[in-house]
Amino acid sequence: SQQGEEDPQALSIQEGENATMNCSYKTSINNLQWYRQNSGRGLVHLILIRSNEREKHSGRLRVTLDTSKKSSSLLITASRAADTASYFCATDAAGGYNKLIFGAGTRLAVHP
Amino acid sequence: ETGVTQSPTHLIKTRGQQVTLRCSSQSGHNTVSWYQQALGQGPQFIFQYYREEENGRGNFPPRFSGLQFPNYSSELNVNALELDDSALYLCATQRIRTSGGADTQYFGPGTRLTVL
Repeated sequence: SQQGEEDPQALSIQEGENATMNCSYKTSINNLQWYRQNSGRGLVHLILIRSNEREKHSGRLRVTLDTSKKSSSLLITASRAADTASYFCATDAAGGYNKLIFGAGTRLAVHP
Repeated sequence: ETGVTQSPTHLIKTRGQQVTLRCSSQSGHNTVSWYQQALGQGPQFIFQYYREEENGRGNFPPRFSGLQFPNYSSELNVNALELDDSALYLCATQRIRTSGGADTQYFGPGTRLTVL
């Protein structure tokens, strides 16, 4: 079963606009991670936020985490056509053995 | 590039056959996890190997089995293939510290398995 649920399932924007993707999960976590996947290839790690952190930045990426609502968001600012990909959140459940539970992903299309 | 490699890239098998997929770990990583990703879905955890032993398993039947070797590379074996086994199989490696903490998992490019 999948713990994370991404919203929206698909997002279409123009270059230069911001893209926001949301993720909800069900159980307590050690951390939450965001990954990117191009055209059914391998997953690229974007950012990890720990359960005691509320916000994290990496370049044009901003991730927030609200453990009281069991939700996270990924913001990509000033998007580029090269950002077109599927984005997945993955949770590392507390008390687990570092297995990641993924949502179904958000498919982002950035148009030139 | 993560340093995690998988082979083969693509594979076509028929129902009932057996398949072995391989994963080479990134340097310094002692743990490997395998995931199955069906088309249009997120990856699902199959199992994890740490120090050559299974260290956790997802909701997959026993015909999915694995090995981890002393150099931390790994194999995923699937027996009695079914049509629903068609998917992208991903391995991910990480370093679990003796203190119990773990670093980020880094994924390989995947093996696309088609079962006819």
